[in-house]
Amino acid sequence: GENVEQHPSTLSVQEGDSAVIKCTYSDSASNYFPWYKQELGKGPQLIIDIRSNVGEKKDQRIAVTLNKTAKHFSLHITETQPEDSAVYFCAASKDSSASKIIFGSGTRLSIRP
Amino acid sequence: DTGVSQNPRHKITKRGQNVTFRCDPISEHNRLYWYRQTLGQGPEFLTYFQNEAQLEKSRLLSDRFSAERPKGSFSTLEIQRTEQGDSAMYLCASSPTGGYGYTFGSGTRLTVV
Repeated sequence: GENVEQHPSTLSVQEGDSAVIKCTYSDSASNYFPWYKQELGKGPQLIIDIRSNVGEKKDQRIAVTLNKTAKHFSLHITETQPEDSAVYFCAASKDSSASKIIFGSGTRLSIRP
Repeated sequence: DTGVSQNPRHKITKRGQNVTFRCDPISEHNRLYWYRQTLGQGPEFLTYFQNEAQLEKSRLLSDRFSAERPKGSFSTLEIQRTEQGDSAMYLCASSPTGGYGYTFGSGTRLTVV
């Protein structure tokens, strides 16, 4: 089955700097790649997603890139702020309607003031 | 409608007891999902419903686990004869029929002592 690997497991960046989280997936049939942010005591929250027919997507300070050939996708957060501190999960789905999503193991992002 | 609601938020039970969790999805969402999350890991897929039909179950969902969604509205997840290994956060999510864009609840944290 699908396997999603995520790194780094922890990341600390200075406020205002950029953060990059990288993921790889194993199943070339995967075609939907969401990213989730999880704060303490809460469920994961969808922050951005990308489908396999698109190579890059931006939403304000957040961008995702997808390299289907290499089976890599990445999350980029620019101008980081204290409220960006959280655990971030990448995920992949090969179901055409995303009924089953496989998550990575998460990255704990800390923003240093 | 304020989102996906899960009850209880926390449950402590003795090994061998049965427990039941409830999830109320966003009212217009036809799909409902159950995931399990252990400390430091990403959520793992357990099962999902399209309306009242349970369409897929993970191998993680042993015979001691059962999920229902009567009338296609709220769902319950029951664990019989709980074991210490069942200790985890149980997350519920819902989505429109197309599947994209899960909304997660805040989860039920189960501790088996």
